[in-house]
Amino acid sequence: GENVEQHPSTLSVQEGDSAVIKCTYSDSASNYFPWYKQELGKRPQLIIDIRSNVGEKKDQRIAVTLNKTAKHFSLHITETQPEDSAVYFCAASILTGTASKLTFGTGTRLQVTL
Amino acid sequence: KAGVTQTPRYLIKTRGQQVTLSCSPISGHRSVSWYQQTPGQGLQFLFEYFSETQRNKGNFPGRFSGRQFSNSRSEMNVSTLELGDSALYLCASTVQGPNTEAFFGQGTRLTVV
Repeated sequence: GENVEQHPSTLSVQEGDSAVIKCTYSDSASNYFPWYKQELGKRPQLIIDIRSNVGEKKDQRIAVTLNKTAKHFSLHITETQPEDSAVYFCAASILTGTASKLTFGTGTRLQVTL
Repeated sequence: KAGVTQTPRYLIKTRGQQVTLSCSPISGHRSVSWYQQTPGQGLQFLFEYFSETQRNKGNFPGRFSGRQFSNSRSEMNVSTLELGDSALYLCASTVQGPNTEAFFGQGTRLTVV
């Protein structure tokens, strides 16, 4: 089945710096790649997603890039702020017939320090 | 519009017991997926239901089962609980299922003692 690896597991940056989280996936059939942010004690929430027919997508300070050939995708956060501190999960989705399932990475704990 | 609701929020059970968790999706959402979240393991897919049918299943033992009702509400059941089943169980609903935004509930924190 699909396997998603995520690095790094922890990341500490200073406020205002950029943060990059990288994920690789194993199944070339994966065609949907969402990123979720989970603050302490809260539910995961989608922050950005990308589909396999797109190489890059931006939403204000957040961007995601996808390299289908290399089977990896990355989350970029610019001008980090303390409220960006959270655990971030990447995921890959394999469409099988009419069903799909999200395979998640193990998460990256981002700490933005003042 | 109300979000995804999971009940109960917290549960403490003894090894060997069984437990049932409930998930009410966002109104109009017909797909419900379940995930187990443990420290270091991230979120692991359990199963997905759409229109009362299980469409996909993860790599969990048969002690983990689920169902979906005609109003799209879903339940998952874990029988013969083990200590290793202690986790946060999250459900997520989507409008149709494949490759659309999944909205998560707050989760049920299960502790097995």
